[in-house]
Amino acid sequence: IVLTQSPGTLSFSPGQRATLSCRASQSVSSSYLAWYQQKPGQAPRLLIYGASNRATGIPDRFSGSGSGTDFTLTISRLEPEDFAVYYCQQYAGSPWTFGQGTKVEIK
Amino acid sequence: QVQLQESGPGLVKPSETLSLTCTVSGGSVTSGNYYWSWIRQTPGKGLEWIGYIYYTGTANYNPSLSSRLTISLDTSKNQFSLKLTSVTAADTAVYYCAREASDFYYYMDVWGKGTTVTVSS
Repeated sequence: IVLTQSPGTLSFSPGQRATLSCRASQSVSSSYLAWYQQKPGQAPRLLIYGASNRATGIPDRFSGSGSGTDFTLTISRLEPEDFAVYYCQQYAGSPWTFGQGTKVEIK
Repeated sequence: QVQLQESGPGLVKPSETLSLTCTVSGGSVTSGNYYWSWIRQTPGKGLEWIGYIYYTGTANYNPSLSSRLTISLDTSKNQFSLKLTSVTAADTAVYYCAREASDFYYYMDVWGKGTTVTVSS
């Protein structure tokens, strides 16, 4: 299953709302879609699982939605620490695959 | 809390075998709720799932690597390991180990910090 995240880079100012897209090449059960955040030199960090469930310790400004082939990660108000790369991942079909990532940069 | 730590050589020669170990602390690799996974990351291909092993010894590999790959478990040391044979420069990457929840939801909630492996003579 190929996951496409577009665009590759988004530019925002702190305080703005960011909406990131993840499109799957075939239907993915919501239970099997996760989002991760990665900062330079760090491992990915789980943000969202089951398409819409926040992981432990994740602020409520992060939310996930979607079903089937279209999923969205929304950051309601960007904080300085949110500028990073975001990946979606699917577990619906082996091999598990990741999207190529969307970089959220400061405008 | 559960922590994972990768270890192994940072430099491997072409055609040789890449061997990495992930040590789990604060939890047990015999927990039935989790798979123990390896993922790698390159600038060109991004994040690539390599495979996982379950406490029963059952493993699932990425077909693109399966002919060269073995993932194993050492319950006495609370570790799991990766062996990738006949490496080439294309195997140069940051390698991560991770704990993968495997119940109703699937996700990787605990990651090691990653270890850089370079394949070069």
